[in-house]
Amino acid sequence: DAKTTQPNSMESNEEEPVHLPCNHSTISGTDYIHWYRQLPSQGPEYVIHGLTSNVNNRMASLAIAEDRKSSTLILHRATLRDAAVYYCILDRGRASGSRLTFGEGTQLTVNP
Amino acid sequence: DAGITQSPRHKVTETGTPVTLRCHQTENHRYMYWYRQDPGHGLRLIHYSYGVKDTDKGEVSDGYSVSRSKTEDFLLTLESATSSQTSVYFCAISEPGQGFIQYFGAGTRLSVL
Repeated sequence: DAKTTQPNSMESNEEEPVHLPCNHSTISGTDYIHWYRQLPSQGPEYVIHGLTSNVNNRMASLAIAEDRKSSTLILHRATLRDAAVYYCILDRGRASGSRLTFGEGTQLTVNP
Repeated sequence: DAGITQSPRHKVTETGTPVTLRCHQTENHRYMYWYRQDPGHGLRLIHYSYGVKDTDKGEVSDGYSVSRSKTEDFLLTLESATSSQTSVYFCAISEPGQGFIQYFGAGTRLSVL
């Protein structure tokens, strides 16, 4: 399975936009790009996913490079509640179900 | 937590004893998964199920077995618990028609002494 590379940590200020990068240079044509986040002492939570086109939902936006070798999760206005570990994951969604491979993710700190 | 209940939420046990963790869902999702998470690390897949009585191994399946006799329940069993299995265990569910998005339970914290 293709791997992803993320910075270990990032810092932001409250109410400012946050851009979380992810490199996935060995991505295959059928890999979806998923983002999950994990708040302290909780299970992971789905944020957004996409294949080729940029995606928006109520939580965030996902910008995918034209060659698909990198992507960026965008939180438009960070809040203190967005402080979490963010995981960028590639998944093929096989007929036998998806099998997410979590790396160490990016620890996002949001300053008041 | 998307209709997912993990039980127990906390357990302390001794080395060599059998342990069973339960994941119960009310969403009628086809796929169910068990992950473990160790301090400072991401989640690792232990076993997963793609239907009743259909299961397969994940990345770290040694020492674990699973069973799924009905859609709503997925059991994870440690036949003889070891200290290396001290971890937080998460159950997840997904459904093909929803882009294989996984929804996670709140986790079970297991300590093997």
